Amino acid sequence: DAGVTQSPTHLIKTRGQHVTLRCSPISGHKSVSWYQQVLGQGPQFIFQYYEKEERGRGNFPDRFSARQFPNYSSELNVNALLLGDSALYLCASSLSGVDSYSNQPQHFGDGTRLSIL
Amino acid sequence: QKEEEQNSGPLSVPEGAIASLNCTYSDRGSQSFFWYRQYSGKSPELIMFIYSNGDKEDGRFTAQLNKASQYVSLLIRDSQPSDSATYLCAVNFYGQNFVFGPGTRLSVLP
Repeated sequence: DAGVTQSPTHLIKTRGQHVTLRCSPISGHKSVSWYQQVLGQGPQFIFQYYEKEERGRGNFPDRFSARQFPNYSSELNVNALLLGDSALYLCASSLSGVDSYSNQPQHFGDGTRLSIL
Repeated sequence: QKEEEQNSGPLSVPEGAIASLNCTYSDRGSQSFFWYRQYSGKSPELIMFIYSNGDKEDGRFTAQLNKASQYVSLLIRDSQPSDSATYLCAVNFYGQNFVFGPGTRLSVLP
């Protein structure tokens, strides 16, 4: 079975531009989470979506937005890019959302490396 | 924002030794705990998860959870050079998102 797939793998943008990152979860997984990871740090939570609804939001500005589609794939959008947005953006999927008693583990895709010039 | 701390790194151990990685967390409402391995330039890979106090073993890996003391550990027995990576602990607080620690870089020396 295919794992979590993300596209594109690498992206170079300039300040002020916007970007859309895409993620397809593992088949059967209904929850998708987005993380930002800068070099030398652990992943920082951005959003979680479950059954097409936002279930969690991290401490990121409104320039960051996301959505989940009926097939459970997801997009992360970032507007007005800043140099500080340069990072590895990770998508993770799990069977259930964070408000579930089952506490399913999250499985990560290979990430999108975003560089802002 | 709940916080986690991992033992300061980097950590170096000789091949064949036991590597011990520790993570403390700041909230008693935590529900589940995860260890991920991340090779340089790659994405995190799930190694183990643990929900209950005590030990959980999977091959060369043992996760230990002590909720009273608010720490979770990962032991790697018979460490191999291929175990050299950054190890991330993550805590899933019920009803909230995953919180990752900063990671501990492990080097296993041949």
